[in-house]
Amino acid sequence: GESVGLHLPTLSVQEGDNSIINCAYSNSASDYFIWYKQESGKGPQFIIDIRSNMDKRQGQRVTVLLNKTVKHLSLQIAATQPGDSAVYFCADASSGGYNKLIFGAGTRLAVHP
Amino acid sequence: ETGVTQTPRHLVMGMTNKKSLKCEQHLGHNAMYWYKQSAKKPLELMFVYSLEERVENNSVPSRFSPECPNSSHLFLHLHTLQPEDSALYLCASSQGVVRTDTQYFGPGTRLTVL
Repeated sequence: GESVGLHLPTLSVQEGDNSIINCAYSNSASDYFIWYKQESGKGPQFIIDIRSNMDKRQGQRVTVLLNKTVKHLSLQIAATQPGDSAVYFCADASSGGYNKLIFGAGTRLAVHP
Repeated sequence: ETGVTQTPRHLVMGMTNKKSLKCEQHLGHNAMYWYKQSAKKPLELMFVYSLEERVENNSVPSRFSPECPNSSHLFLHLHTLQPEDSALYLCASSQGVVRTDTQYFGPGTRLTVL
């Protein structure tokens, strides 16, 4: 069946370093992905999305890379700050139906001073 | 604040109780969602409502009963739950149900079933 998986459950970085969070997917037909951030006590929050006709998309301090050949995407956060500490999810938004998202397990990002 | 509120934030109930979760969105959206987030599984979609009509039921047991009286409010009625139903229940809303319509999540209700 369709699945979205993450390579690492926890990532620890120093403040100011760049963070890279990885995500693998299994459905080669998947063509639209979204990254969400969930802080403690809050619901997930949209960060950035990417379609399969793009290899890279940039936002404010974040970049998402998509490698369709190996079915992998990554979220890069530049100059990581304490406020970036959260769980990050990739979601496959490709499914037909009514805006159905298939979420990965999540990676916890811990930023140390 | 995302514009989506949920009450209560925490709920403890016995297996024979009946309770309801409430969600309200202040964004003028036409679609609302219920998700379940447990410690051992990824975030799972439960139900989707579009213009107050249920359009998706993701094989959810009948002990969970959703209700959408208008486009701003969504309820999840709970009865005879099991301990494995303990989880964070998240509500979300979006402008429509096109896949590019961003979903905005509430803070969730932490449910514990004893």
